[in-house]
Amino acid sequence: SQKIEQNSEALNIQEGKTATLTCNYTNYSPAYLQWYRQDPGRGPVFLLLIRENEKEKRKERLKVTFDTTLKQSLFHITASQPADSATYLCALDDMNSGGYQKVTFGTGTKLQVIP
Amino acid sequence: KAGVTQTPRYLIKTRGQQVTLSCSPISGHRSVSWYQQTPGQGLQFLFEYFSETQRNKGNFPGRFSGRQFSNSRSEMNVSTLELGDSALYLCASSVDRGNSPLHFGNGTRLTVT
Repeated sequence: SQKIEQNSEALNIQEGKTATLTCNYTNYSPAYLQWYRQDPGRGPVFLLLIRENEKEKRKERLKVTFDTTLKQSLFHITASQPADSATYLCALDDMNSGGYQKVTFGTGTKLQVIP
Repeated sequence: KAGVTQTPRYLIKTRGQQVTLSCSPISGHRSVSWYQQTPGQGLQFLFEYFSETQRNKGNFPGRFSGRQFSNSRSEMNVSTLELGDSALYLCASSVDRGNSPLHFGNGTRLTVT
């Protein structure tokens, strides 16, 4: 069966350190993978998209890697700040959907950055 | 540019009733997707509409339905509500299919008593 697993439900790190979140998937062949941030009571907010032929993508303090052989994406936040505390979701397209927009989400990792 | 707007923000209904939720996408976005979010199951895909046509559907019973209008606004309907339907219902719009990021509204919190 298809699965998207994020390494842990919760992750606590000290302010200033690098947070690394993991997303593993099974029985998908995604053309791209996305990361979103969700704050309590709000909808997810898009952060980064990486395509299957890209190994790494960066945006300010964020970095995403995508390894289609390992079927894994890593999401890094460098120099983390308390404001980075949120739930982070990975998402990928379902190519079995006939090529149309059907994005499936992992269950998320709740990141807490401790001052 | 205005973001995705969902109404109402909160809703309390009784078992057996039906409910209609509304979503106004970002101007120019023709794809609208709906998701159900619960603490146990996370974000679950309900369906996606493009140009008034449902292109994809998730694994939800027929009590869940939706539609999209010519101005891309979308509604979803849940009939014969069950306690398990209590959730945050999120709508997301995007420019088109494929690698377009999803832009989410802040959802409708439905409580079924």
